[in-house]
Amino acid sequence: DIQLTQSPSFLSASVGDRVTITCRASQGISTYLAWYQQKPGKAPKLLIYAASTLQSGVPSRFSGSGSGTEFTLTISSLQPEDFAAYYCQQLNSYPRTFGGGTKVEIK
Amino acid sequence: EVQLVESGGAWVQPGGSLRLSCAASRFTFSSYSMNWVRQAPGKGLEWVSYISSSSSTIYYADSVKGRFTISRDNAKNSLYLQMNSLRAEDTAVYYCARGNWFFDLWGRGTLVAVSS
Repeated sequence: DIQLTQSPSFLSASVGDRVTITCRASQGISTYLAWYQQKPGKAPKLLIYAASTLQSGVPSRFSGSGSGTEFTLTISSLQPEDFAAYYCQQLNSYPRTFGGGTKVEIK
Repeated sequence: EVQLVESGGAWVQPGGSLRLSCAASRFTFSSYSMNWVRQAPGKGLEWVSYISSSSSTIYYADSVKGRFTISRDNAKNSLYLQMNSLRAEDTAVYYCARGNWFFDLWGRGTLVAVSS
């Protein structure tokens, strides 16, 4: 199985900050990676797929990059509504695994 | 509105069974692969099972293999998860999610609680 390691697991940031979350895969997955945002008590929401393609309706301050084993999710200017948990997911093979998550909180 | 709505979650004793349903609306359900994903209280996301649009291909996480069965009825626009031999560690919110290469539509989830 492919393991995904997200870092950091927790980060504290202020509105307007640039935030970067990293996801490392235990083996190469090309660009078969997606990012999701989840707010408390809500279902996950797709942000980015194929490592760097922005899902329709998602603000352009979100961006993704990477291929192979290392990927990043960047929020260029953190907004109040962005405080949430973020998960990466590999879609290269089954089982479809998720990273452990990154919780972004207000500093 | 395009949506997925799960139902069937409940409290059940260890060793018991439960059947979850996911009703799809306002999209061509028969054209999409579907998944179940769960989230234990305060924990991260765990993919559970996948079924292709025609039910020809099915996958399970090792943690549920042999105990859970995924199925679908395209005529009823519905996805199912039959859960047998339930354990305390199966306690979670269960989401149905659409897609194969990314999960672009999720339901709100249904809670399964396994305890004595």
